[in-house]
Amino acid sequence: DAMVIQNPRYQVTQFGKPVTLSCSQTLNHNVMYWYQQKSSQAPKLLFHYYDKDFNNEADTPDNFQSRRPNTSFCFLDIRSPGLGDAAMYLCATSRRLGTGGSEKLFFGSGTQLSVL
Amino acid sequence: GDSVTQMEGPVTLSEEAFLTINCTYTATGYPSLFWYVQYPGEGLQLLLKATKADDKGSNKGFEATYRKETTSFHLEKGSVQVSDSAVYFCALSDPGGSYIPTFGRGTSLIVHP
Repeated sequence: DAMVIQNPRYQVTQFGKPVTLSCSQTLNHNVMYWYQQKSSQAPKLLFHYYDKDFNNEADTPDNFQSRRPNTSFCFLDIRSPGLGDAAMYLCATSRRLGTGGSEKLFFGSGTQLSVL
Repeated sequence: GDSVTQMEGPVTLSEEAFLTINCTYTATGYPSLFWYVQYPGEGLQLLLKATKADDKGSNKGFEATYRKETTSFHLEKGSVQVSDSAVYFCALSDPGGSYIPTFGRGTSLIVHP
């Protein structure tokens, strides 16, 4: 089945040690998103790619970076994780419509990041 | 800009009770409206959607009707089950605005046996 896959499911890193989270999709969607979700809160959009165009949210810390080497893959890099970066990270995809707007989002199962 | 407002939770119900979770929106155009559900420890998944006024989305016993006159998209279920315990997010996608979907803050539902 076509889907959005995130690896790993759980990631433990040390304070200040760079970490990379991965996302792949088989849907051939042109938009890929990274969300941060802390306990009992709505997902917070960090950035997204529309094809190769990178779009950073204004309040996303510089500590967070992203790469999209091709349509199928997208990575979230946290250069120096702090304790406050412990959260669930959700990858999602959608197809942007030619008339504007987008179809529904398809989410991966998320990566739960712990920072020790 | 576009926004979605959901009722605050948690909503706590007994099994077989009737459920309503309120959602209202503000948008510049004629948005598509969605309900997503997030079960514990998982990502969000689409529950139902409606793309134009008076459309009713339905899935797994849940329903929501797109009410343009009241800018609302309330989620309802006639008889909830313990397995419905989750967080529910209302969202919109507005062709007249950004293509980035806008989410509400989520409403936690807890169903007791």
